[in-house]
Amino acid sequence: EVQLVESGGGLVKPGRSLRLSCTTSGFTFGDFAMSWFRQAPGRGLEWVSFIRSKAYGETSEYAASVKGRFTLSRDDSKSIAYLQMNGLKTDDTAVYYCTRGYRRGDYWGQGILVTVSS
Amino acid sequence: EIVMTQSPATLSVSPGERATLSCRASQSVSSNLVWYQQKPGQAPRLLIYGASTRATGVPARFSGSGSGTEFTLTISSLQSEDFAVYYCQQYNDRPPWTFGQGTKVEIK
Repeated sequence: EVQLVESGGGLVKPGRSLRLSCTTSGFTFGDFAMSWFRQAPGRGLEWVSFIRSKAYGETSEYAASVKGRFTLSRDDSKSIAYLQMNGLKTDDTAVYYCTRGYRRGDYWGQGILVTVSS
Repeated sequence: EIVMTQSPATLSVSPGERATLSCRASQSVSSNLVWYQQKPGQAPRLLIYGASTRATGVPARFSGSGSGTEFTLTISSLQSEDFAVYYCQQYNDRPPWTFGQGTKVEIK
């Protein structure tokens, strides 16, 4: 069974950093790109970033709203994807979801809440 | 950036009736479109990809159609578990991938 579990969220002050983890099981992690989406409270869905598999260079893409502040990485030996979030803003407050794939999310984690507030 | 527009914002339907949801792209996305279903407090669930292919385990009452800029999600006979918010998302060519604002399907 494919499972994705996000962790590392919480309350953080503006300007600070946070690292989210997406721990996966049930599939060959190294064969897949991984993505992050987010959803601000009461709002719609927003694509954040994806990272390609090693076979495709482990390159990553970012939404304009997070580019230069967020970094997505992966550890294929542990089947974990990491989203390093620096320079957090109040607008980054959202539930963050990791998903398998890079065009669409065929499997989603349960989501983790990140609250940026002073 | 490709802008996705869904209509209507809210759709009131009685159980057993047909629901038709629309999604329009600001430029052609070919068939690179997915539909998700989201229930309160839950992660989105992939329903349709490639504009018309049902994801694994999705009931046959869900169908997707369209290409280019106009897309439709049809639920042929609404069940109680289908009342939710539905989002379309495009993944054409290069990121950013973008979503519509969602259509809430509620009980009439």
